[in-house]
Amino acid sequence: DAGVTQSPTHLIKTRGQHVTLRCSPISGHKSVSWYQQVLGQGPQFIFQYYEKEERGRGNFPDRFSARQFPNYSSELNVNALLLGDSALYLCASSPQGTSSYEQYFGPGTRLTVT
Amino acid sequence: AQSVTQLDSQVPVFEEAPVELRCNYSSSVSVYLFWYVQYPNQGLQLLLKYLSGSTLVESINGFEAEFNKSQTSFHLRKPSVHISDTAEYFCAVSAPGSSNTGKLIFGQGTTLQVKP
Repeated sequence: DAGVTQSPTHLIKTRGQHVTLRCSPISGHKSVSWYQQVLGQGPQFIFQYYEKEERGRGNFPDRFSARQFPNYSSELNVNALLLGDSALYLCASSPQGTSSYEQYFGPGTRLTVT
Repeated sequence: AQSVTQLDSQVPVFEEAPVELRCNYSSSVSVYLFWYVQYPNQGLQLLLKYLSGSTLVESINGFEAEFNKSQTSFHLRKPSVHISDTAEYFCAVSAPGSSNTGKLIFGQGTTLQVKP
């Protein structure tokens, strides 16, 4: 079975631009979470969606938004990009929305803001 | 709120030597505990987890971790490391309960460097 897939793999944007990152969960998984991993740090939770509804939001500004589609894939949108948004963005899927279920991570999208 | 502290940013060790990667957490409620491994240019893979029951949990590749509630620790150990174990290791916690969203809180990570 295919694992979690993310696109694009790498992305270079300019300050002030907008970016959309995409994630396809493992087949049958209904929960998708997004994490930001800045170089040299652990991942930071951004959002969780379960059954197309937002279930959790981390401490990120409103420039960050996300949605989940009927096929359970997800998009993460970031507006008005800042240099500090440069990071690896990880998507994780899980069968259910609760933490007792293992989260399976994708390879990530490396975003560079210049 | 929960937090995780990984006490060592880098751990150099020779091949076939034992290793311990330390993790302490802070929480006012009971937690689930996880260790994830990240190889270069890859996403995170679950190594092992503690949800309940036996405080000693093991992975299929020889790692083990012990949940110590009194010391709020979840240290990762391996009796004999291989070159292929070189990677970044992350300790993480999440909180079960009615507001449980599956949110994982990660430590800063520990780089395990296995030398020949």
